[in-house]
Amino acid sequence: AQSVTQLGSHVSVSEGALVLLRCNYSSSVPPYLFWYVQYPNQGLQLLLKYTTGATLVKGINGFEAEFKKSETSFHLTKPSAHMSDAAEYFCAVSISPGAGSYQLTFGKGTKLSVIP
Amino acid sequence: NAGVTQTPKFQVLKTGQSMTLQCAQDMNHNSMYWYRQDPGMGLRLIYYSASEGTTDKGEVPNGYNVSRLNKREFSLRLESAAPSQTSVYFCASSPPPGGGYYNEQFFGPGTRLTVL
Repeated sequence: AQSVTQLGSHVSVSEGALVLLRCNYSSSVPPYLFWYVQYPNQGLQLLLKYTTGATLVKGINGFEAEFKKSETSFHLTKPSAHMSDAAEYFCAVSISPGAGSYQLTFGKGTKLSVIP
Repeated sequence: NAGVTQTPKFQVLKTGQSMTLQCAQDMNHNSMYWYRQDPGMGLRLIYYSASEGTTDKGEVPNGYNVSRLNKREFSLRLESAAPSQTSVYFCASSPPPGGGYYNEQFFGPGTRLTVL
């Protein structure tokens, strides 16, 4: 069974500092991996995804993530945090329970605070 | 395109009352999902519908029922609400893989439900 672990339920960074949010997954098959962002009182929005090919993927708002198969990781980074990045971030892995259906398994989320 | 819409946005129920949460998508997606989000728990799948006419249980189906009314609409019913069902409920939809899509899901804005 697939699973996702996000290290750190809450991360604080200073404005302008590097953002690093950690995600490790387990999967018995090559995974599709996703990062979603949730701003306060809103739904989830897709930030970026890894499917196949290039292991460094770029997303919206200057975020990027690198798929490392040997480490089963898909960490999210941004070189310089902005106040508007304060949100909760979810890592997810795609699974197929069969019969042509697909689900996402989500991590428990990391809440990012940006300190002015 | 409105994307995924959910009604109502907020609801307060008393224990034992029933209600139906409505979800609709206008993206012609095949699959639809209902999640609940609780602090520190991430998103947990309640039910999903891989295609029109089919529904399946997710991780936490007890106390809920669903109806896939047509391709656009997927409703979630609480027959006898309990305080443990106080949560934020999200509906999501996804297209079949292909055409640049790899099982990602598109989320509605959520329904905040309180059961007293």
